[in-house]
Amino acid sequence: AQTVTQSQPEMSVQEAETVTLSCTYDTSESDYYLFWYKQPPSRQMILVIRQEAYKQQNATENRFSVNFQKAAKSFSLKISDSQLGDAAMYFCAYRVTGNQFYFGTGTSLTVIP
Amino acid sequence: DVKVTQSSRYLVKRTGEKVFLECVQDMDHENMFWYRQDPGLGLRLIYFSYDVKMKEKGDIPEGYSVSREKKERFSLILESASTNQTSMYLCASSLSLPGLLEKLFFGSGTQLSVL
Repeated sequence: AQTVTQSQPEMSVQEAETVTLSCTYDTSESDYYLFWYKQPPSRQMILVIRQEAYKQQNATENRFSVNFQKAAKSFSLKISDSQLGDAAMYFCAYRVTGNQFYFGTGTSLTVIP
Repeated sequence: DVKVTQSSRYLVKRTGEKVFLECVQDMDHENMFWYRQDPGLGLRLIYFSYDVKMKEKGDIPEGYSVSREKKERFSLILESASTNQTSMYLCASSLSLPGLLEKLFFGSGTQLSVL
């Protein structure tokens, strides 16, 4: 079975500080892609960052970066210099061959002013 | 920008009613998806479609059906709504490109309450 585990239902961070959201997954596939999506109170899911499993270099997008550990099947998201607008539900997901995405249960991030 | 539009933001229906949730995308995407989002369970795939008139069951298809008569429109149908179908429903679309990097584009969701 394809599974994605986000073990932190809720996290909080002080504004301007750094926070890391954890994600582990389970797949027997060798070729797959990993994603972090953000869902703010508006409910519109937005792609934050994505990573190809065959690339060793960790993806970065401005203040967002990942720590991809393929052997451990871990894909954590680091948010640096946290801003109030980062407050949202964050979902980890991966995609294997075919069109299906598999999502985790989400981590609700609160940013404290 | 790609726009995925879900016809209703909030919907209240009675048990036993037939319910239609509509989703339209404007970017000629081949793939369209219906997810259900519940607290503590994340997003679970109900059905997806990779072409007109084509559909595939996801992880939780029971009690649902879908229709894709036109490329831009993907409808989710609850044949006889039940209270356990009270949930947030998210529609998404994506292109079919070689490789797997193509992302999903989501609608804003429909919060369905079945009384």
